[in-house]
Order: sequence, then structure tokens, then C-alpha cells
Amino acid sequence: AQSVTQPDARVTVSEGASLQLRCKYSSSVTPYLFWYVQYPRQGLQLLLKYYSGDPVVQGVNGFEAEFSKSNSSFHLRKASVHWSDSAVYFCAVSITGGYKVVFGSGTRLLVSP
Amino acid sequence: GGIITQTPKFLIGQEGQKLTLKCQQNFNHDTMYWYRQDSGKGLRLIYYSITENDLQKGDLSEGYDASREKKSSFSLTVTSAQKNEMAVFLCASSIQGNNQAPLFGEGTRLSVL
Repeated sequence: AQSVTQPDARVTVSEGASLQLRCKYSSSVTPYLFWYVQYPRQGLQLLLKYYSGDPVVQGVNGFEAEFSKSNSSFHLRKASVHWSDSAVYFCAVSITGGYKVVFGSGTRLLVSP
Repeated sequence: GGIITQTPKFLIGQEGQKLTLKCQQNFNHDTMYWYRQDSGKGLRLIYYSITENDLQKGDLSEGYDASREKKSSFSLTVTSAQKNEMAVFLCASSIQGNNQAPLFGEGTRLSVL
């Protein structure tokens, strides 16, 4: 069965600094991969998704993610964070041909001034 | 644009009580999901429904029932609320076809006294 690990429960970065949030997946086949963001008291919003093609995929608000098959990873990046990026970020995976979407435990990002 | 509406937004129950959460979407999506979110534990899939009249158990279905009344609505019942239980229940939906990214409602916050 597929699974997702987000090894960092909390990440703190300074405003304007670059960001990387880590995601490792486990799947016997190439999965569909997603990143979501959750602001306080809200549902999850989709940032980006990947299945095939260019391993670097662009998302909303300047976010991008890079897929690595050799490392089984799908890390999220942003060149310069803003205080409004403070939120919880979730990585998720869906196996090919499946409807079940499995989420990681999330990484809480705090952007300090 | 569409919206996923979850009712109620807040739900306070008593131990042993049967509680029903409702979800409506106007995206005309085929697939709908119920997830439970506990603090620090990410999202766990309770039930999902690929199409109207379909029902699939997720990883956390014990203690819950679900019903897909029609294409636009998906209900979740907590069969017997557990004392001091606190969680957020998130409903999501996605377009027809596998490996689509679910879109989420804002959640129902449950507290059991």
C-alpha cells in the first residue's frame, strides 16, 4: 500500500528566505503526487500535482515541487517566502488507477518577520 | 466556481450519541470523500464513494457509517461518539476518473463531552 512521510513536523524560516518542505512516498508503482496547504480553520487547498513529464512542476503562489523517482521524494520549494505562507502543508499520494488519496501528517510552516 | 458545503460547522455531542455530518457539492463531481483530521496526525480516510450509489471503506471506517444519497451529497454518521473525542471531519470531492486531486470543504469540528 502507498504511504507518505513528511519528516518535519514544524519548519521555521525568515521572511524572504527560501523554503523546502520534504516529502517521501512509498509506492510500488509511480504514483500521482499532490501538495496541499491548509490555513487556520479552513479546508485544504491544492497547490500542485504531478504524475509524469518534467520532474519540476509549478504550482500557485510561486510554489514548485520536484519529483525524484530514485529518492522516492516530492519536495516542495519556494524561492522567497512571505509571512502569509504560514500554514500547514500536506503531501499526498494516489496510486495509478486508484481513487484512494493518502495524506502525510503535515508540516507546519512558520514564517518569522 | 463551485463549493463544498459541510454542515454543521461545529458539532458538540454526548458520549454514546449517534451524530450525522452532511456534505454537499455543486461541482457535479462523481467522487466524494470523508477524512478525519486529528491534531498532528494528518488526514485519515474514513469512507469514499466513486460514483452515486457506490461506497468504499477507507482506513478508519470502524465506528462510522456513510451514505451517498445522491450525486451531490455524502453523509457521515458517527455511530457512537467517544468521550473527550475531538477532531475535524473534512469532506472532499473530485471529478470523474482516477487520480484526480480532491477539493475540500472547510470541515466540521466535533467535540464530545
